[in-house]
Amino acid sequence: KAGVTQTPRYLIKTRGQQVTLSCSPISGHRSVSWYQQTPGQGLQFLFEYFSETQRNKGNFPGRFSGRQFSNSRSEMNVSTLELGDSALYLCASNMDGGGEKLFFGSGTQLSVL
Amino acid sequence: GIQVEQSPPDLILQEGANSTLRCNFSDSVNNLQWFHQNPWGQLINLFYIPSGTKQNGRLSATTVATERYSLLYISSSQTTDSGVYFCVTGDSGGYQKVTFGIGTKLQVIP
Repeated sequence: KAGVTQTPRYLIKTRGQQVTLSCSPISGHRSVSWYQQTPGQGLQFLFEYFSETQRNKGNFPGRFSGRQFSNSRSEMNVSTLELGDSALYLCASNMDGGGEKLFFGSGTQLSVL
Repeated sequence: GIQVEQSPPDLILQEGANSTLRCNFSDSVNNLQWFHQNPWGQLINLFYIPSGTKQNGRLSATTVATERYSLLYISSSQTTDSGVYFCVTGDSGGYQKVTFGIGTKLQVIP
């Protein structure tokens, strides 16, 4: 079984631009969650999707949004990028999100200049 | 929300040594997982252990849910064990709003 796939692996953007990150979960997994990792704040939960619905959201501004498609693939969008958005963005999947084992992708390293 | 505390924050070991990493959590949890993040950023799930004890090779973990802590044991450490170890929990309300500890940064030197 293929693991969780995130694209792209690296991304460089400038302030004010927007960016879209992609995550393909493990086949059969219907829950996809997103996380931001920075040296200062550690790993923080962004949001979780299940069957195309956002079920849970962390404490991030509205510039951070996401969606999930019928095949469970998910995208995350950040609009009006700020320098502080530079981070490793990780996604994870599991069967239905309810307290189950999480499987992570390799992440997208976003640099905002 | 749930608070997760990990200790120690940093650890340096000689190859072959043993270690114990601790995770304390502030409330009832519906899951407890340990992850290893390698130098390339990949998070590997080591254990899914909401309660009890599990072993996988040189690694083992114990969670005592009633006392709100979990321990990760690494025996006969190797340089490939280097990286950051995270304890991750989700509250008993279900759904995937997980909380990460700050991690224990482990360096194993030859």
